[in-house]
Amino acid sequence: GDSVTQMEGPVTLSEEAFLTINCTYTATGYPSLFWYVQYPGEGLQLLLKATKADDKGSNKGFEATYRKETTSFHLEKGSVQVSDSAVYFCALDTGANSKLTFGKGITLSVRP
Amino acid sequence: DAGVTQSPTHLIKTRGQHVTLRCSPISGHKSVSWYQQVLGQGPQFIFQYYEKEERGRGNFPDRFSARQFPNYSSELNVNALLLGDSALYLCASSWDRVLAEAFFGQGTRLTVV
Repeated sequence: GDSVTQMEGPVTLSEEAFLTINCTYTATGYPSLFWYVQYPGEGLQLLLKATKADDKGSNKGFEATYRKETTSFHLEKGSVQVSDSAVYFCALDTGANSKLTFGKGITLSVRP
Repeated sequence: DAGVTQSPTHLIKTRGQHVTLRCSPISGHKSVSWYQQVLGQGPQFIFQYYEKEERGRGNFPDRFSARQFPNYSSELNVNALLLGDSALYLCASSWDRVLAEAFFGQGTRLTVV
């Protein structure tokens, strides 16, 4: 079945450091890929998405590229801020079952 | 515009009891999905309803049921609560069955004691 694997966390970075959060997936067909963010005490928010191979999603300085050959969708940001501290979830949707399949999530803490 | 609203925000129930969680989608959205998020894990899909019909069901026991009303709001019902049902229950709405623009509510925190 469909699955999403995220790197183990938590991750702690200093402000202005470079961020990479790894995400790989297994899916039948050609899924759409997403990154969701969950700030403390809040619900999930869509951060960015990509719907086909080689697409790059971007938002708020974050980027991720849909890599079909490596089945990956790694999240990157060149300079993190304290306000980026949150839990980040990678997810996919194949369209076949009307559902999002999520990874376990990773907690990012950014210190001043 | 109001986002996805869920009620209640928190509740505590005893094992064996029944619970009803409610969700109001964003105005104009016809699809509502429910997810269970256990502490430290990613959300797990429970149901999707579109145009008042069930369009998808996750791997959850029959104790879980849901419905969608003519105004597109939705209820999630869980019978015979178990300790393991303690979780954050998330509702997501979207324009149609396509999930590329799903918006999530803040969730209902259910604690079963």
